[in-house]
Amino acid sequence: EVQLVESGGGLVQPGRSLRLSCAASGFTFDDYAMHWVRQAPGKGLEWVSGISWNSGSIGYADSVKGRFTISRDNAKNSLYLQMNSLRAEDTALYYCAKAQGEILTGFDYWGQGTLVTVSS
Amino acid sequence: EIVMTQSPATLSVSPGERATLSCRASQSVSSNLAWYQQKPGQAPRLLIYGASTRATGIPARFSGSGSGTEFTLTISSLQSEDFAVYYCQQYNNWPPLFTFGPGTKVDIK
Repeated sequence: EVQLVESGGGLVQPGRSLRLSCAASGFTFDDYAMHWVRQAPGKGLEWVSGISWNSGSIGYADSVKGRFTISRDNAKNSLYLQMNSLRAEDTALYYCAKAQGEILTGFDYWGQGTLVTVSS
Repeated sequence: EIVMTQSPATLSVSPGERATLSCRASQSVSSNLAWYQQKPGQAPRLLIYGASTRATGIPARFSGSGSGTEFTLTISSLQSEDFAVYYCQQYNNWPPLFTFGPGTKVDIK
């Protein structure tokens, strides 16, 4: 059974940093691209960042480019999101999502999310 | 940047009726279009990918069509568990950039 478990969310002050993690199991992690998607309270889905199986292809939404860094450790079956210079508008539930295959595919499994709240 | 729009914002449908949801891309995304369903308090679920291919375990009452800039998700006979928000998503850009539409809420008439 595919499982994606996010962690690392919490309350953080504007301008500070936070690192999210996603522990994956139930599939061959290094065969698939992975993504982060966020959802602000009461709002729609926003793709944040994606990374190919070998980290050779990485993309970011314009809203986070230069502040967030996605990475993965295939030996640990884990995906990460380093978030720096956090802003109030980064407040959201952050989902980890598995791609169906290569990076340009849909997202077939999602975690339950970890909540990030940016506030003073 | 490719902008996705969805219409209508809210669709009120009676159980057993047909629902037709539209998604439009600001430029061609070929068939690189997915549909997701999200219920309150739950993560999204992949319904359709490649514009028209049902994901594993998705009932046949869900169907997708379209290519280029115009796409449709049809639910042939709404069941109680289908009342939810539906999002389209394009995955055509390189370097990778993905865009979700704003969503269509399907509620009970």
